[in-house]
Amino acid sequence: DGGITQSPKYLFRKEGQNVTLSCEQNLNHDAMYWYRQDPGQGLRLIYYSQIVNDFQKGDIAEGYSVSREKKESFPLTVTSAQKNPTAFYLCASSAYGTVSGNTIYFGEGSWLTVV
Amino acid sequence: QKEVEQNSGPLSVPEGAIASLNCTYSDRGSQSFFWYRQYSGKSPELIMSIYSNGDKEDGRFTAQLNKASQYVSLLIRDSQPSDSATYLCAPSGNTGKLIFGQGTTLQVKP
Repeated sequence: DGGITQSPKYLFRKEGQNVTLSCEQNLNHDAMYWYRQDPGQGLRLIYYSQIVNDFQKGDIAEGYSVSREKKESFPLTVTSAQKNPTAFYLCASSAYGTVSGNTIYFGEGSWLTVV
Repeated sequence: QKEVEQNSGPLSVPEGAIASLNCTYSDRGSQSFFWYRQYSGKSPELIMSIYSNGDKEDGRFTAQLNKASQYVSLLIRDSQPSDSATYLCAPSGNTGKLIFGQGTTLQVKP
């Protein structure tokens, strides 16, 4: 089945630790995105990538890092510099490049909690 | 001014009624508009997309777009308790990125 796989679904981070959230898609989509959602809030864009080996900061990139070495993979690292990382993280992808291709599809999300 | 504005609600309607969800956006260059539904604790799922002014119907859902007024809406006919969720409006800006509103929480009461 085609889709977007995020792992792990639940993750606990200790203070000062870096953690990496995995995102893999087999939809052959060019663009991939990471969003953060806090309880009762909308989605905020962290990073996005439109092609391999290239990515851009979104609205809240501080304390996060990404890589895009393969078309199907876009991992997100939450660094110790991110002071309030507890949130629901959503990875998404889109075909991009056409008006209809801007439709984005989401993975099931990863819950990150600081302990 | 926020890029995308939605009334956070909750919007409460009785079962069988029409629910009307509204969204305004600031980027006049937006070409595509999307409505997503998100159940609590789950990821958003696409309900409808609309690209041209006017109405687009899909089953019980109708999206309405007015680019001159920078306004997009979603009507849900014959609302069901299973429609209770948060509805996110997302215009696609000039760069192709989707900018999400905060969402409107809909409660359909049996």
